[in-house]
Parts: sequence; C-alpha cells; structure tokens
Amino acid sequence: GDSVTQMEGPVTLSEEAFLTINCTYTATGYPSLFWYVQYPGEGLQLLLKATKADDKGSNKGFEATYRKETTSFHLEKGSVQVSDSAVYFCALRFGTSYGKLTFGQGTILTVHP
Amino acid sequence: DSGVTQTPKHLITATGQRVTLRCSPRSGDLSVYWYQQSLDQGLQFLIQYYNGEERAKGNILERFSAQQFPDLHSELNLSSLELGDSALYFCASSVKGAVFADTQYFGPGTRLTVL
Repeated sequence: GDSVTQMEGPVTLSEEAFLTINCTYTATGYPSLFWYVQYPGEGLQLLLKATKADDKGSNKGFEATYRKETTSFHLEKGSVQVSDSAVYFCALRFGTSYGKLTFGQGTILTVHP
Repeated sequence: DSGVTQTPKHLITATGQRVTLRCSPRSGDLSVYWYQQSLDQGLQFLIQYYNGEERAKGNILERFSAQQFPDLHSELNLSSLELGDSALYFCASSVKGAVFADTQYFGPGTRLTVL
C-alpha cells in the first residue's frame, strides 16, 4: 500500500541553522504531496504542497520539491527560528482515494536560541 | 484558527463506555474527515463524509461509527471503549473532497483518555 517515510527525529538545531527533513514515499502512481506542521497543543496546519513532478511548494521560508525520480519531498529552510519548533508531517494523497491523507510518522523539531 | 471546531477538547472516560465527538466544518466546506493520532499508530485516516454521505473509509474499527448531518456538522461515535482507544482525534474539512489537491483544514482535536 501507499506509505510515507520521514527521517527519524527529534531534530535539534540552533537558531539560524539550515534545516532539512527528509521524506520519501511509496505509491503506485503520482500523488499530491504535502507538508503539515503541528505546533504544541494545536491541530495540523498545511505548510506547503505540490501536485506534480518538479513542482516546488513554498511558504514562510520553507520549501520542498516533488522529485518523482527519487520519490522524495524533502523539506528545507535556510534559517530556522525558535518559533519553527513544532512537529512536521509529510503526507500524500491520491485523487482517486477521495480525501484520504496518508501521513509519515512526524519529525519533532526543536530550535534553541 | 482554521475555522474547524471540535468539542469537547478533552474527554476522560472508562473502559466499556461510549462517547461522541463533535466537529463543525469551516463555513462552506462539504467534506469532513476524521483522523486518529496515537503514539503507536501515528496519524491515521478513519473516515470521510461528503455532503452527508460516506465517501471513504480507512482503518476505522467496527466499534466506531460516524455521520454527517444536514447542517454538515459531523459526529464520531466510539463505543465499548478500550485503553488502546486513548488518542487525539482530529476532524478536518475541505470544500469538496474529491479534488486532487483539495486542502484539508484541521481542527484543534479532541483528546480522549480511557481509564
């Protein structure tokens, strides 16, 4: 079945460091790909998305590029802030599966001043 | 604030009991989704409703059921509760639900603790 694998966490960085959170997927076909963020005590928020190969999603300084050849959608940010501390989820979705989002296990990011 | 509301925020109950979780979608959204977030299973899709009709089913136990009412709010019913049902239950909504990249907006969740 379809699945998403994220890099093991937690990830701890100093402010202004470069961030990469790896995400790879297994799927038959070409899904839409998403990154969601969950701040402490809150629900999930859509961070960015990409719907086809080579698309780049970007938002709030975060970027991710849909790489069909490596079935990956790695999240990057050039300079993290303390306020970026949260749990990040990579997810995929097929149009034929209606609304079902398949999530990775989540990566906890902690940014220290 | 996503515009999706869930009640109650916290729920503590005993094994064998039945509870109902409520979700109000964003204004204008026709689809409602339920997800369960637990430490061992992660975030898992349970079920989707679109304009009152069930559209997709995931890893939802037979002890669990859901419905979407004419005013589009949804309820998730959990019965014969077990310790392993303790989790955070999220509701999400989207405008349509059958569109390839239709964005899902998540509520703050209901934390269920079964003692």
